[in-house]
Amino acid sequence: QSALTQPASGSGSPGQSITISCTGTSSDVGTYGLVSWYQQHPGKAPKLIIYEGSKRPSGVSNRFSASKSGNTASLTISGLQTEDEADYYCCSYAGGSTWVFGGGTKLTVL
Amino acid sequence: QVQLVESGGGVVQPGRSLRLSCAASGFTFINYGIHWVRQAPGKGLEWVAVLWSDGRNNYYADSVKGRFTVSRDNSRNTHYLQMNSLRAEDTALYYCARADGHLEKDHFDYWGQGTLVSVSS
Repeated sequence: QSALTQPASGSGSPGQSITISCTGTSSDVGTYGLVSWYQQHPGKAPKLIIYEGSKRPSGVSNRFSASKSGNTASLTISGLQTEDEADYYCCSYAGGSTWVFGGGTKLTVL
Repeated sequence: QVQLVESGGGVVQPGRSLRLSCAASGFTFINYGIHWVRQAPGKGLEWVAVLWSDGRNNYYADSVKGRFTVSRDNSRNTHYLQMNSLRAEDTALYYCARADGHLEKDHFDYWGQGTLVSVSS
């Protein structure tokens, strides 16, 4: 149950787009692939922003999108806004009714 | 509206036990499983355990297997995380989160605010 690999940090200017990667293995992302993504602002609980690989819950901006290729999932945030500054975590099913999170990416909107 | 409220956290000595609660409201309790996820201070999220909607099937991360047990009380709409033989590395904010989906389609659609567990002598 090793954590998925995410870049520790990322940054972008308002209006730009940014992509956060999430690399797993053939035991998790590569096989199951229906990665979910969570946004966490400081001192707050995580919030679901993407599920089943690319679906957005009701109320989540369509500026958030996601995809997968091989063992790597990606979250793209377009039209960056200051309120997007947060930590982002990916999560994948890892078999045997267990789940694994990525280490998290701290996004700074400059 | 869906609400999950954790409680039971505190400071505990290594080797001792603690039971966390997750009180649920705003949805049909018995239709959903509950995951437990923890976050050590300044660190990332770590999946800990799940109790499925059937109330019987439960699974654990290797790091807590054999020490932690999940259960629920349908009459109280409450899930529990019993933590035994606590270690310093169990120090974290513990969240409960609702399971929406199943297995590879599962995700955590609602989260509580967390309850802090500190294991220290």
